Amino acid sequence: QQQVKQSPQSLIVQKGGISIINCAYENTAFDYFPWYQQFPGKGPALLIAIRPDVSEKKEGRFTISFNKSAKQFSLHIMDSQPGDSATYFCAASKRGNEKLTFGTGTRLTIIP
Amino acid sequence: DGGITQSPKYLFRKEGQNVTLSCEQNLNHDAMYWYRQDPGQGLRLIYYSQIVNDFQKGDIAEGYSVSREKKESFPLTVTSAQKNPTAFYLCAGGGGPLNTGELFFGEGSRLTVL
Repeated sequence: QQQVKQSPQSLIVQKGGISIINCAYENTAFDYFPWYQQFPGKGPALLIAIRPDVSEKKEGRFTISFNKSAKQFSLHIMDSQPGDSATYFCAASKRGNEKLTFGTGTRLTIIP
Repeated sequence: DGGITQSPKYLFRKEGQNVTLSCEQNLNHDAMYWYRQDPGQGLRLIYYSQIVNDFQKGDIAEGYSVSREKKESFPLTVTSAQKNPTAFYLCAGGGGPLNTGELFFGEGSRLTVL
């Protein structure tokens, strides 16, 4: 039972382009939606997160768009750079509980 | 240096052997978690603990055991009952005085069964 579905599994984007990764969730009790970035051989690190009281959050080149009615959220990376090449995981958790349910991950490759 | 420290980074095990992965934290997190990472499957929760001397099973607890005798430590034992133990194991901490919902991960332990 996969509660958070993530797509695509892999993504290749040219330098300077926009990278878009999508996630959908099923459990309406989820109220915290983070994105984690993982480099090879390392643990994931929080990139950006959103709560359902807003529809968009932007931090630098990274933006989360959130659609509560559709139960979907996405990560947009503007002006993608080779250093952004990593695996990205979306996740979700319920209020007051950091126990995260993760998506299956997207391997992003930025080519020159 | 600080945060979530996992050891060893690489571990090889023969079939039928138990192995224990260490996880120590100095961030005063109340909660600690063990996740397993396999290619194409994301991170799956094995066990978690929200308080000392208490822990709960996650989604894939069979073949694993944990203890939480002190706040700073949350070791994971991969037993011989785990059918497919070769994986990348990640420990995380969260909660405490600055609870933001964020989990802080260690650098992982890669276990290979020979």
